[in-house]
Amino acid sequence: GESVGLHLPTLSVQEGDNSIINCAYSNSASDYFIWYKQESGKGPQFIIDIRSNMDKRQGQRVTVLLNKTVKHLSLQIAATQPGDSAVYFCAVPEEDSSYKLIFGSGTRLLVRP
Amino acid sequence: DSGVTQTPKHLITATGQRVTLRCSPRSGDLSVYWYQQSLDQGLQFLIQYYNGEERAKGNILERFSAQQFPDLHSELNLSSLELGDSALYFCASSATGLSNQPQHFGDGTRLSIL
Repeated sequence: GESVGLHLPTLSVQEGDNSIINCAYSNSASDYFIWYKQESGKGPQFIIDIRSNMDKRQGQRVTVLLNKTVKHLSLQIAATQPGDSAVYFCAVPEEDSSYKLIFGSGTRLLVRP
Repeated sequence: DSGVTQTPKHLITATGQRVTLRCSPRSGDLSVYWYQQSLDQGLQFLIQYYNGEERAKGNILERFSAQQFPDLHSELNLSSLELGDSALYFCASSATGLSNQPQHFGDGTRLSIL
């Protein structure tokens, strides 16, 4: 299938296990954070977002954790399924811009059956 | 389904040619973004429009141009194509065009330059 990037870090997990994907950001003033999922041959799909006034936000099988002290964001996927195999990106607003998002390079999640 | 529609899905053309990529945003969204995604560079922001006007510009080449029409659909024009322009081109839309809300992406146009 199509590959989004040749040298992405890869996380391989067993089906049914939990997955944790990490993202570090540099702008301490960032106040909004988004996670996207990109499956082969498709565009990035919005998963979940969180604002800086929160430390944790939960969705369906996904949880985003925000640690502003160390400027770290993580996406936790519970009971990982084969359909979760994809590239996951975090995105944050560009510093000094009210309009642009900056996307991380992504992590490839592989789910072993 | 994000609600963002991009056409065509695939485009194959030769160097020196010109192509037009089309995007229809989600219903109700006023802002459209264009991105280029290549294997070695990830998602690169090209340009943003809001309600017909250019709002922000990224690393868009002078050979590339875009516009957003009164019905809010957008077109990205790529001219004098080079081999290095081969990439996936994504359109995204959002309601207000501000960076404190998610953008919703189409499934892209894969451009191959021969």
